[in-house]
Amino acid sequence: KNEVEQSPQNLTAQEGEFITINCSYSVGISALHWLQQHPGGGIVSLFMLSSGKKKHGRLIATINIQEKHSSLHITASHPRDSAVYICAVGYVYSGGGADGLTFGKGTHLIIQP
Amino acid sequence: KAGVTQTPRYLIKTRGQQVTLSCSPISGHRSVSWYQQTPGQGLQFLFEYFSETQRNKGNFPGRFSGRQFSNSRSEMNVSTLELGDSALYLCASSLAGGAPPQHFGDGTRLSIL
Repeated sequence: KNEVEQSPQNLTAQEGEFITINCSYSVGISALHWLQQHPGGGIVSLFMLSSGKKKHGRLIATINIQEKHSSLHITASHPRDSAVYICAVGYVYSGGGADGLTFGKGTHLIIQP
Repeated sequence: KAGVTQTPRYLIKTRGQQVTLSCSPISGHRSVSWYQQTPGQGLQFLFEYFSETQRNKGNFPGRFSGRQFSNSRSEMNVSTLELGDSALYLCASSLAGGAPPQHFGDGTRLSIL
């Protein structure tokens, strides 16, 4: 069973700061997801990574498969970035089946104006 | 393109009752996964359906069941409700399931009195 650890659990920062959220997992995976959840519950998938680095606007996600570690970075943070950020990992078998996603506990991010 | 639709959004039940939640995936998506989110346990995988077959199941008791119809819509049923079943239930759809990008619905918030 994969264990997914996120840090920090809570993060409060000022608008404009550079934000880093970390995720570590214990067992090899096929892909890692970064998800964003706003109050009210809706979840948005930000990235799916299997190697390297991806960038969408002010968001950057990196993964190191050998070290079983991923980071999510937010540049020029803004109050609208305030949300819970969740890391999730999954494994796809060569025959086509897949394990259900395993989730971290989430990082509560608050960006103050 | 319409997103993943979950109904109802909110539900209040009492202990011992049973409940059915519905999820309509994005058109063309054949995989539907269900997740439970509680403050204590975070997000946990319940089960995944693909082409009307349960392909994967998380570690939940048999009171939790589901099914998928030929149009890929899915229902989740919980029988003999317990206080601990109070949670946000999320479904996600994807083309093939598992690790590929998943699109989440807004969830059904179930409260057990």
